[in-house]
Amino acid sequence: QKEVEQDPGPLSVPEGAIVSLNCTYSNSAFQYFMWYRQYSRKGPELLMYTYSSGNKEDGRFTAQVDKSSKYISLFIRDSQPSDSATYLCASNSGGYQKVTFGIGTKLQVIP
Amino acid sequence: GAVVSQHPSRVICKSGTSVKIECRSLDFQATTMFWYRQFPKQSLMLMATSNEGSKATYEQGVEKDKFLINHASLTLSTLTVTSAHPEDSSFYICSANYRINEQFFGPGTRLTVL
Repeated sequence: QKEVEQDPGPLSVPEGAIVSLNCTYSNSAFQYFMWYRQYSRKGPELLMYTYSSGNKEDGRFTAQVDKSSKYISLFIRDSQPSDSATYLCASNSGGYQKVTFGIGTKLQVIP
Repeated sequence: GAVVSQHPSRVICKSGTSVKIECRSLDFQATTMFWYRQFPKQSLMLMATSNEGSKATYEQGVEKDKFLINHASLTLSTLTVTSAHPEDSSFYICSANYRINEQFFGPGTRLTVL
Protein backbone atom coordinates (compact mmCIF):
# COMPACT_ATOMS: atom_id res chain seq x y z
CA GLN A 1 0.00 0.00 0.00
CA LYS A 2 1.32 3.42 -0.94
CA GLU A 3 1.68 5.86 1.93
CA VAL A 4 -0.22 8.54 0.02
CA GLU A 5 -2.96 7.51 -2.39
CA GLN A 6 -4.41 9.84 -4.99
CA ASP A 7 -6.69 9.31 -7.97
CA PRO A 8 -4.73 10.29 -11.10
CA GLY A 9 -7.86 11.45 -12.93
CA PRO A 10 -8.11 13.16 -15.32
CA LEU A 11 -10.76 15.42 -13.89
CA SER A 12 -12.53 17.81 -16.26
CA VAL A 13 -14.72 20.64 -14.99
CA PRO A 14 -16.30 23.72 -16.58
CA GLU A 15 -14.88 27.13 -15.80
CA GLY A 16 -16.31 28.55 -12.58
CA ALA A 17 -16.97 25.17 -11.00
CA ILE A 18 -15.85 24.18 -7.52
CA VAL A 19 -13.14 21.55 -7.74
CA SER A 20 -12.58 18.94 -5.05
CA LEU A 21 -9.30 17.03 -5.03
CA ASN A 22 -8.69 14.29 -2.50
CA CYS A 23 -6.04 12.01 -1.07
CA THR A 24 -5.77 9.40 1.62
CA TYR A 25 -2.70 8.48 3.60
CA SER A 26 -1.70 5.56 5.78
CA ASN A 27 1.22 6.76 7.88
CA SER A 28 -0.03 7.87 11.29
CA ALA A 29 3.21 9.79 11.87
CA PHE A 30 2.33 12.31 9.15
CA GLN A 31 1.63 15.72 10.67
CA TYR A 32 2.09 18.15 7.79
CA PHE A 33 0.09 18.05 4.61
CA MET A 34 0.93 19.93 1.44
CA TRP A 35 -0.58 20.61 -1.92
CA TYR A 36 1.58 21.26 -4.94
CA ARG A 37 0.61 22.30 -8.46
CA GLN A 38 2.67 21.02 -11.36
CA TYR A 39 2.37 22.24 -14.91
CA SER A 40 3.54 19.99 -17.69
CA ARG A 41 7.33 19.58 -17.81
CA LYS A 42 7.83 21.92 -14.86
CA GLY A 43 8.80 21.49 -11.23
CA PRO A 44 6.03 21.41 -8.60
CA GLU A 45 4.92 24.68 -7.02
CA LEU A 46 3.92 24.75 -3.36
CA LEU A 47 0.33 25.99 -3.00
CA MET A 48 -0.15 25.60 0.74
CA TYR A 49 0.44 23.38 3.68
CA THR A 50 -1.51 22.58 6.82
CA TYR A 51 -0.61 21.12 10.15
CA SER A 52 -2.65 18.33 11.69
CA SER A 53 -6.42 18.41 11.26
CA GLY A 54 -8.32 21.49 10.18
CA ASN A 55 -8.84 23.91 7.34
CA LYS A 56 -6.64 26.53 5.73
CA GLU A 57 -7.77 29.03 3.16
CA ASP A 58 -5.71 31.04 0.68
CA GLY A 59 -7.67 32.97 -1.89
CA ARG A 60 -9.66 30.53 -4.02
CA PHE A 61 -7.93 27.53 -2.45
CA THR A 62 -8.95 25.72 0.72
CA ALA A 63 -7.02 22.78 2.16
CA GLN A 64 -8.70 20.43 4.58
CA VAL A 65 -7.26 17.61 6.66
CA ASP A 66 -9.15 15.02 8.68
CA LYS A 67 -6.62 12.98 10.60
CA SER A 68 -9.27 10.69 12.07
CA SER A 69 -10.06 9.36 8.61
CA LYS A 70 -6.61 10.09 7.13
CA TYR A 71 -8.22 12.19 4.40
CA ILE A 72 -6.74 15.24 2.68
CA SER A 73 -8.71 17.58 0.44
CA LEU A 74 -8.10 20.65 -1.70
CA PHE A 75 -11.01 22.77 -2.88
CA ILE A 76 -10.69 25.30 -5.67
CA ARG A 77 -13.47 27.86 -5.98
CA ASP A 78 -14.35 29.66 -9.20
CA SER A 79 -11.98 27.46 -11.15
CA GLN A 80 -10.15 29.04 -14.09
CA PRO A 81 -8.55 27.54 -17.22
CA SER A 82 -5.20 28.59 -15.77
CA ASP A 83 -5.83 26.15 -12.91
CA SER A 84 -5.44 23.30 -15.39
CA ALA A 85 -2.47 21.34 -14.07
CA THR A 86 -1.58 18.28 -12.04
CA TYR A 87 -2.18 18.65 -8.32
CA LEU A 88 -0.05 16.60 -5.95
CA CYS A 89 -0.80 16.03 -2.33
CA ALA A 90 2.12 15.34 -0.05
CA SER A 91 2.89 14.75 3.58
CA ASN A 92 5.63 14.30 6.11
CA SER A 93 6.11 13.93 9.80
CA GLY A 94 7.36 17.48 10.14
CA GLY A 95 10.44 19.64 10.15
CA TYR A 96 12.87 18.87 7.39
CA GLN A 97 11.83 15.25 7.05
CA LYS A 98 11.43 13.81 3.58
CA VAL A 99 8.11 14.39 1.89
CA THR A 100 6.00 11.59 0.44
CA PHE A 101 3.95 12.48 -2.63
CA GLY A 102 0.76 11.16 -4.15
CA ILE A 103 0.73 10.36 -7.86
CA GLY A 104 -1.06 13.62 -8.68
CA THR A 105 -4.51 14.37 -10.12
CA LYS A 106 -4.63 15.92 -13.56
CA LEU A 107 -7.21 18.72 -13.66
CA GLN A 108 -8.58 20.34 -16.77
CA VAL A 109 -10.78 23.42 -16.49
CA ILE A 110 -12.73 23.91 -19.69
CA PRO A 111 -13.55 27.50 -20.77
CA GLY B 1 8.58 32.70 -2.69
CA ALA B 2 12.07 31.25 -2.73
CA VAL B 3 13.72 30.37 -6.04
CA VAL B 4 15.49 27.14 -6.86
CA SER B 5 17.19 26.81 -10.24
CA GLN B 6 18.42 23.80 -12.15
CA HIS B 7 20.85 23.48 -15.01
CA PRO B 8 20.59 22.20 -17.63
CA SER B 9 16.87 22.12 -18.28
CA ARG B 10 17.27 19.42 -20.87
CA VAL B 11 20.12 17.11 -21.82
CA ILE B 12 20.50 14.40 -24.40
CA CYS B 13 23.48 12.08 -24.13
CA LYS B 14 24.79 8.82 -25.45
CA SER B 15 24.65 5.63 -23.47
CA GLY B 16 27.71 5.20 -21.26
CA THR B 17 28.43 8.87 -20.72
CA SER B 18 28.06 10.79 -17.45
CA VAL B 19 25.79 13.76 -16.95
CA LYS B 20 25.95 16.40 -14.21
CA ILE B 21 22.88 18.34 -13.10
CA GLU B 22 23.20 21.42 -10.90
CA CYS B 23 20.68 22.62 -8.34
CA ARG B 24 21.01 26.09 -6.82
CA SER B 25 19.05 27.97 -4.19
CA LEU B 26 19.18 31.51 -5.53
CA ASP B 27 18.09 33.68 -2.63
CA PHE B 28 18.49 31.51 0.42
CA GLN B 29 20.85 29.01 1.94
CA ALA B 30 19.87 25.36 2.12
CA THR B 31 21.69 22.89 4.31
CA THR B 32 19.49 20.16 2.89
CA MET B 33 18.42 19.60 -0.67
CA PHE B 34 16.48 16.72 -2.14
CA TRP B 35 16.73 14.95 -5.48
CA TYR B 36 13.66 13.37 -7.08
CA ARG B 37 12.99 11.42 -10.23
CA GLN B 38 9.66 11.46 -12.01
CA PHE B 39 8.67 9.07 -14.77
CA PRO B 40 5.71 9.89 -17.05
CA LYS B 41 2.37 9.60 -15.28
CA GLN B 42 4.08 8.62 -12.05
CA SER B 43 4.65 10.36 -8.78
CA LEU B 44 7.78 12.10 -7.60
CA MET B 45 10.14 9.52 -6.19
CA LEU B 46 12.74 10.69 -3.71
CA MET B 47 16.18 9.48 -4.70
CA ALA B 48 18.37 11.01 -2.03
CA THR B 49 18.76 13.71 0.56
CA SER B 50 21.75 15.94 0.00
CA ASN B 51 23.39 17.41 3.09
CA GLU B 52 25.88 20.25 2.90
CA GLY B 53 29.29 19.11 4.02
CA SER B 54 28.41 15.46 4.48
CA LYS B 55 27.46 12.38 2.52
CA ALA B 56 24.08 12.13 0.89
CA THR B 57 21.44 9.77 2.23
CA TYR B 58 20.06 7.52 -0.49
CA GLU B 59 16.64 5.92 -0.59
CA GLN B 60 16.34 2.18 -0.76
CA GLY B 61 16.95 0.86 -4.24
CA VAL B 62 18.90 3.89 -5.47
CA GLU B 63 22.45 3.08 -6.51
CA LYS B 64 24.75 5.53 -4.79
CA ASP B 65 27.64 4.70 -7.13
CA LYS B 66 25.49 5.50 -10.13
CA PHE B 67 23.89 8.67 -8.84
CA LEU B 68 26.64 10.72 -7.27
CA ILE B 69 25.52 13.65 -5.16
CA ASN B 70 27.71 16.46 -3.97
CA HIS B 71 26.50 19.32 -1.78
CA ALA B 72 29.55 21.53 -1.90
CA SER B 73 28.03 24.72 -0.54
CA LEU B 74 24.89 26.05 1.10
CA THR B 75 23.50 27.04 -2.29
CA LEU B 76 24.63 24.27 -4.63
CA SER B 77 24.03 20.56 -4.93
CA THR B 78 24.95 18.45 -7.94
CA LEU B 79 23.68 15.11 -9.17
CA THR B 80 25.90 13.14 -11.54
CA VAL B 81 24.39 10.24 -13.41
CA THR B 82 27.36 8.03 -14.19
CA SER B 83 27.48 5.67 -17.17
CA ALA B 84 23.96 6.62 -18.12
CA HIS B 85 21.73 4.11 -19.88
CA PRO B 86 18.38 4.54 -21.64
CA GLU B 87 16.50 3.37 -18.53
CA ASP B 88 17.93 6.40 -16.68
CA SER B 89 15.97 8.68 -18.99
CA SER B 90 13.63 10.61 -16.75
CA PHE B 91 12.71 13.99 -15.31
CA TYR B 92 15.04 14.87 -12.44
CA ILE B 93 13.93 17.53 -9.98
CA CYS B 94 15.67 19.01 -6.97
CA SER B 95 14.17 20.85 -4.04
CA ALA B 96 15.30 22.75 -0.99
CA ASN B 97 13.68 23.78 2.27
CA TYR B 98 13.29 27.55 2.35
CA ARG B 99 11.64 27.40 5.76
CA ILE B 100 10.56 24.51 7.88
CA ASN B 101 7.83 22.63 6.00
CA GLU B 102 8.19 24.85 2.93
CA GLN B 103 9.99 22.90 0.26
CA PHE B 104 10.57 24.67 -3.05
CA PHE B 105 11.32 22.83 -6.25
CA GLY B 106 13.53 23.58 -9.20
CA PRO B 107 12.11 23.55 -12.73
CA GLY B 108 13.48 20.07 -13.43
CA THR B 109 15.95 18.55 -15.87
CA ARG B 110 14.77 16.23 -18.61
CA LEU B 111 17.42 13.60 -19.31
CA THR B 112 17.28 11.52 -22.47
CA VAL B 113 19.86 8.78 -22.90
CA LEU B 114 20.16 7.44 -26.42
